[in-house]
Amino acid sequence: DVKVTQSSRYLVKRTGEKVFLECVQDMDHENMFWYRQDPGLGLRLIYFSYDVKMKEKGDIPEGYSVSREKKERFSLILESASTNQTSMYLCASSILPTGLRAGANVLTFGAGSRLTVL
Amino acid sequence: GEDVEQSLFLSVREGDSSVINCTYTDSSSTYLYWYKQEPGAGLQLLTYIFSNMDMKQDQRLTVLLNKKDKHLSLRIADTQTGDSAIYFCAEGGMDTGRRALTFGSGTRLQVQP
Repeated sequence: DVKVTQSSRYLVKRTGEKVFLECVQDMDHENMFWYRQDPGLGLRLIYFSYDVKMKEKGDIPEGYSVSREKKERFSLILESASTNQTSMYLCASSILPTGLRAGANVLTFGAGSRLTVL
Repeated sequence: GEDVEQSLFLSVREGDSSVINCTYTDSSSTYLYWYKQEPGAGLQLLTYIFSNMDMKQDQRLTVLLNKKDKHLSLRIADTQTGDSAIYFCAEGGMDTGRRALTFGSGTRLQVQP
């Protein structure tokens, strides 16, 4: 089974701190994603990456940056944390599909990182 | 842009059927997905349906797709307390040119014993 591991399940940070959220997948997936989950708003895409050193903005990239130096690792960075970034952060990965279901994009998620910014 | 909408809450009794509904706006979506999130966990894929299908059945799960109305539903037969979770509808596929999925707000299913 594909495993997506998020290094921290719970973090508490102070306003203005720099925060790193790490995500590692072990199945050689090309695509990796960072979503943010808030009650009533569902999942919103922050950034995604389809290859090493490649990144694309999602729907809410403001206040965030990402890094993908190795294929298996995708980091989300909050340069200066703010209270409105208190949320659950979900990392996911997917393979570039081929074959009969070439268009399907099945995401595998990590367990999530709950960040509280005080 | 793409939008996916779901009602936020559904309560059913154990043994009843649950129907969770979803509407989406992107007519180019060729794949639609249902994910389940149990408390304290990430999302796990339940099933997905290709847009040239009207229905897909997998054990207790039945997915119905009305492409004309852009309406997707997930029916869970004989709902159990272990089915209590948040269910997310999502749309997107590589052939739409989008690598990321667009998710709805999630429907919290509460199963009463």
